[in-house]
Amino acid sequence: DIQMTQSPSSLSASVGDRVTITCRASQSISSYLNWYQQKPGKAPKLLIYAASSLQSGVPSRFSGSGSGTDFTLTISSLQPEDFATYYCQQSYSTEMYTFGQGTKLEIK
Amino acid sequence: QVQLVQSGAEVKKPGSSVKVSCKASGGTFSSYAISWVRQAPGQGLEWMGRIIPILGIANYAQKFQGRVTITADKSTSTAYMELSSLRSEDTAVYYCARERDGYNPFDYWGQGTLVTVSS
Repeated sequence: DIQMTQSPSSLSASVGDRVTITCRASQSISSYLNWYQQKPGKAPKLLIYAASSLQSGVPSRFSGSGSGTDFTLTISSLQPEDFATYYCQQSYSTEMYTFGQGTKLEIK
Repeated sequence: QVQLVQSGAEVKKPGSSVKVSCKASGGTFSSYAISWVRQAPGQGLEWMGRIIPILGIANYAQKFQGRVTITADKSTSTAYMELSSLRSEDTAVYYCARERDGYNPFDYWGQGTLVTVSS
């Protein structure tokens, strides 16, 4: 199975900050990496697919980069509504998709 | 607009089974794979398996092999996830999600179904 490791597991930041979350795959997954945002009591929401493509309707302050094994999600200027938990997910192996353990983004 | 609407919350006894439904509307159901993902209280997301309705082929995470069955009814645009031999650790919110073609992201999600396993 492909393991996905996210860091950090939690993060405190302020409105207006630039934030970066990283995700590492245990083997190369090309660009088959997706990022989701989840708020309490809600289903996850797709933010970034194919490592760097912005999902329709998602604000441009969200961006993704990377390929192979190392990926990043960047929020250029945090807004109050961005405080949530973020998950990466590999969709390279359709036999076994896997998620990172999540990064909880909290208000400082 | 694609919508995935799941069945309601369930309370089950240990050792029993649960079947959760996921009805799709607003899109071409058969053409897209549907995955099931669960989330235990306070925990992360865990992929369970997927089905391609047009082919009727399902595959499962090794952890759930032998306990989970995912099916789809093309006539009603509904996917199902059945989990058997329930134990307390299966208490979770279960989500269905549609996979978009290409890089297979989960672009639409159901609202989630809470399954509580308790004696």
